[in-house]
Amino acid sequence: DAKTTQPPSMDCAEGRAANLPCNHSTISGNEYVYWYRQIHSQGPQYIIHGLKNNETNEMASLIITEDRKSSTLILPHATLRDTAVYYCIASTSGAQKLVFGQGTRLTINP
Amino acid sequence: ETGVTQTPRHLVMGMTNKKSLKCEQHLGHNAMYWYKQSAKKPLELMFVYNFKEQTENNSVPSRFSPECPNSSHLFLHLHTLQPEDSALYLCASSQEYRMNTEAFFGQGTRLTVV
Repeated sequence: DAKTTQPPSMDCAEGRAANLPCNHSTISGNEYVYWYRQIHSQGPQYIIHGLKNNETNEMASLIITEDRKSSTLILPHATLRDTAVYYCIASTSGAQKLVFGQGTRLTINP
Repeated sequence: ETGVTQTPRHLVMGMTNKKSLKCEQHLGHNAMYWYKQSAKKPLELMFVYNFKEQTENNSVPSRFSPECPNSSHLFLHLHTLQPEDSALYLCASSQEYRMNTEAFFGQGTRLTVV
């Protein structure tokens, strides 16, 4: 599965959109991009995943570039409860091949 | 609430003790997983079960022994652990192995080996 690169940390003001980038330049055609987050000392929480089309659900939007070498997770109106470590994962096989890197520590400031 | 429940939430055990971690899911999923998260390290996949059969063991020491009696329950039996085994142990489930579906994680068991 492709390696992903994320910034180690980001800050965002409460109420603003949080845009979290992820690079996956070696992603293959059958690898999906998954996003999970982990709030301190809790289990990871699934957010969204996609293959090549942009995706949106009640939590977030996922924008994947046309060449699929990078993606952006968008939390449209960040709240303090969105403070967490966000993981971007490229995987062909879904749940059983989730290789969690260091992720991005997102801090939402009041 | 993810539908995956782990007990206990916290466990302190001595190196000579035997204990078990329990995971239960009522999501109708057929695949279950054990992950380990040590301090300041990424999550590490330990074991995978699909339809009660172990499909993956990521070179985990034998002092960790998983058991999956049915698709809804997963155990991790612990014996003669070392202090470096102290970590957050997470259980997860998904609809099926080798499908592009998301995993649902429990809240984890915080294990301290003294």
